[in-house]
Amino acid sequence: DAGITQSPRHKVTETGTPVTLRCHQTENHRYMYWYRQDPGHGLRLIHYSYGVKDTDKGEVSDGYSVSRSKTEDFLLTLESATSSQTSVYFCAISESPWRGSNQPQHFGDGTRLSIL
Amino acid sequence: EDKVVQSPLSLVVHEGDTVTLNCSYEVTNFRSLLWYKQEKKAPTFLFMLTSSGIEKKSGRLSSILDKKELFSILNITATQTGDSAVYLCAVTQAMEYGNKLVFGAGTILRVKS
Repeated sequence: DAGITQSPRHKVTETGTPVTLRCHQTENHRYMYWYRQDPGHGLRLIHYSYGVKDTDKGEVSDGYSVSRSKTEDFLLTLESATSSQTSVYFCAISESPWRGSNQPQHFGDGTRLSIL
Repeated sequence: EDKVVQSPLSLVVHEGDTVTLNCSYEVTNFRSLLWYKQEKKAPTFLFMLTSSGIEKKSGRLSSILDKKELFSILNITATQTGDSAVYLCAVTQAMEYGNKLVFGAGTILRVKS
């Protein structure tokens, strides 16, 4: 299994509070991703990182920010949580494409976040 | 709009049956198509397909890609209860600084003993 640890695994919080989710990897992969999974939508990309301090937005980035100060850690922050952000959040990692070849993404076990 | 559509949404079969799961896509900057199996936690990687017509196999699972018709199928033969899961299809889309996965909603497979 890919060495990916997400924390916390479960969290319940109230609307308007800040929330930070952590993804930690031991694979030294360059790319890291945050997805959310909701019924009927599959997984959707929130933000991703292509190196330390290098991040970019995904398709559902509104209301979220990220930071990557070390290769192994990628943080997802909800500055002021809303009920629409109740979801399961997955972190994924992948190696850099090598000579144009693709590398699959491997996923952590997820964080179940409930915002009341 | 980029999209990946899986069918059926769910199915129930008996042990020993063969199943075929479908995935069609319309995604710009296509790089590859992937299949994942998701039980209670993390999606686990099954196959990556980049070329048309080349079947990939792993035990009782196999998959093939048709880049002209923009679809892929995942076959599972001699199904077992342990195959019960959500099967996710995803397309790798090239972005400015890397790749992104565009996922379908998944097919829920339940195998009855």
